[in-house]
Order: sequence, then C-alpha cells, then structure tokens
Amino acid sequence: AQSVAQPEDQVNVAEGNPLTVKCTYSVSGNPYLFWYVQYPNRGLQFLLKYITGDNLVKGSYGFEAEFNKSQTSFHLKKPSALVSDSALYFCAVRDIRNYQLIWGAGTKLIIKP
Amino acid sequence: DGGITQSPKYLFRKEGQNVTLSCEQNLNHDAMYWYRQDPGQGLRLIYYSQIVNDFQKGDIAEGYSVSREKKESFPLTVTSAQKNPTAFYLCASRTGENQPQHFGDGTRLSIL
Repeated sequence: AQSVAQPEDQVNVAEGNPLTVKCTYSVSGNPYLFWYVQYPNRGLQFLLKYITGDNLVKGSYGFEAEFNKSQTSFHLKKPSALVSDSALYFCAVRDIRNYQLIWGAGTKLIIKP
Repeated sequence: DGGITQSPKYLFRKEGQNVTLSCEQNLNHDAMYWYRQDPGQGLRLIYYSQIVNDFQKGDIAEGYSVSREKKESFPLTVTSAQKNPTAFYLCASRTGENQPQHFGDGTRLSIL
C-alpha cells in the first residue's frame, strides 16, 4: 500500500539552529514528493517538490529537502531556523493509481527564541 | 491577484440541515479538490474534479456532494447524512499532474 509517514508529531528547535522535519514514503515506482506548510487557521502553502533530478531540492523561505531513494525518505531541512518558521508541516506523495496526493499526518514545528 | 477563495470562513450547521461551502478560483486551473482536516490527522480527500461536469469520490465521500458546472467553481454540500461534520474544510486546485496544489484559507464547520 502507498503511504507517507511523518514519525514526529512535534519538533522543537532553538532559533538559529538547523532544523529537520522527517518524512518517509512507500510507493511503487518513482515517487513524486511534496512539502507544504500551514499556519494557524490558514490553507496550506507549497514549499518544494521532487519529481526527478538532483536529490537536493531547494524551495521557498530557505527550505530544502533531500531525497534518499535507498532510505525512502524526503526530509525537510533549513540551516538556520527562524521563530516565524513555527507552523505545521505536511509531506505528501503522489498516488500512482489516480495521481492524487497521499498526505502525512503533519509535524508541528516549534522554534524557540 | 489570482487565488482561491473559500467562503464563509466559519459556518454552523443545525441537526438535519444541509450546508454548502463555496470555493472559487481565478487561476484557470482544471483540477479542483475538497479536503477535510481533523486535529492530528493529515488531509483526507472528499471529492475531486479534473474537468468541468466531471468529479470523482475521494476516500471519505459519504455524506458529501459536489458539483462542477463551471471551471472556476467547485461547491461542497455537507448533507445531514454526514453525522460528524465538525472539521476544517480546505479547497485546492492545480494545473498539470506534477504541479503543486494551491489552497484556499478554509472553512471551519461546527455543529450548533
């Protein structure tokens, strides 16, 4: 079965430190992967995607993600966290059966000053 | 500015009542989606539409209905058959299959 897992419900990071939000996936064939961010009472905003090519993908607001095929992971990273990065982060993978997205449960990122 | 507009932002439903959530986009996107978001869970797909006058059920379509009479509009009706409608509802749209989805700011539905 195709699935996406975000193993951490919450991640706490001090401002200025690097951050990582983890995502693992299980799909048949080549994965199409996405990261989104959601601020309270708002819709989701697209951060970045991996379709093919370079395993390190750069996205919006200084975020990047590393695709690792052998570990079936697509972790979101940022070298230096800001308090304003505090939000809910979602990983998603495209379902090859109907081309729709399968969503992880989300990870709450808290950046402390 | 192009975008997706959901209305109303807050909605209250009485027992036995149907309510309709509006979603309008001016992005000229072909595909549109409705998701339900509950605390601690990811987004669950209710319905989606790839073209006008066509739509498909998602994972949790029971108790919901949609229409797609215009490219710009994809309203969702929460019927009285949906026994637990309290949730945050998100509408999204996209262009091509590999393109990201764009989201509205949601409608929060509660039971009176």
